[in-house]
Amino acid sequence: EAQVTQNPRYLITVTGKKLTVTCSQNMNHEYMSWYRQDPGLGLRQIYYSMNVEVTDKGDVPEGYKVSRKEKRNFPLILESPSPNQTSLYFCASSRLDSNTEAFFGQGTRLTVV
Amino acid sequence: AQSVAQPEDQVNVAEGNPLTVKCTYSVSGNPYLFWYVQYPNRGLQFLLKYITGDNLVKGSYGFEAEFNKSQTSFHLKKPSALVSDSALYFCAVRAITGGGNKLTFGTGTQLKVEL
Repeated sequence: EAQVTQNPRYLITVTGKKLTVTCSQNMNHEYMSWYRQDPGLGLRQIYYSMNVEVTDKGDVPEGYKVSRKEKRNFPLILESPSPNQTSLYFCASSRLDSNTEAFFGQGTRLTVV
Repeated sequence: AQSVAQPEDQVNVAEGNPLTVKCTYSVSGNPYLFWYVQYPNRGLQFLLKYITGDNLVKGSYGFEAEFNKSQTSFHLKKPSALVSDSALYFCAVRAITGGGNKLTFGTGTQLKVEL
């Protein structure tokens, strides 16, 4: 089954404690991205990657890092989380063809206290 | 820069009545347009897309959307709403060229279908 898998689904952490949210896709997609969803703001892109070792900033990259060492994996790293990063996070993947739809993971609800 | 506007935070309809969820977009050049649905505690699911050709696009679960280039709109419609259609709906746009494959979303519209 074609899918994007994120882990963990829920995470509560303390300010400043480094964390990683993993994302993996099994569709051999070149393009992967991370979004955060906040009430009234919709989904905003954090980082994206167009292929292995190619990453770039989205609209709200501050406080986040990513890596793309393998095509299937695109982890999101928060090196020093702060309460304003409390949000619902989604990983997505798609082909590079701009007319194709993106596939989304189930989401990770992060709370930073 | 590309953007999407969903002017209604919430739409309420009675079951069996037609529904419309509005979306307008702004993009340089021609757009690709998408609708996604999000059920509670779930990720976004693809509903339908406009690429080219017929302005009326049909998608999953009986939904359809009408592309109107002059009004830069892509409203989501369904002839007869079901209670199970209650969810959060997102419109998204991607530029055909020059956008770097970026998908830009609206703020979402909560659809509530009541008996």
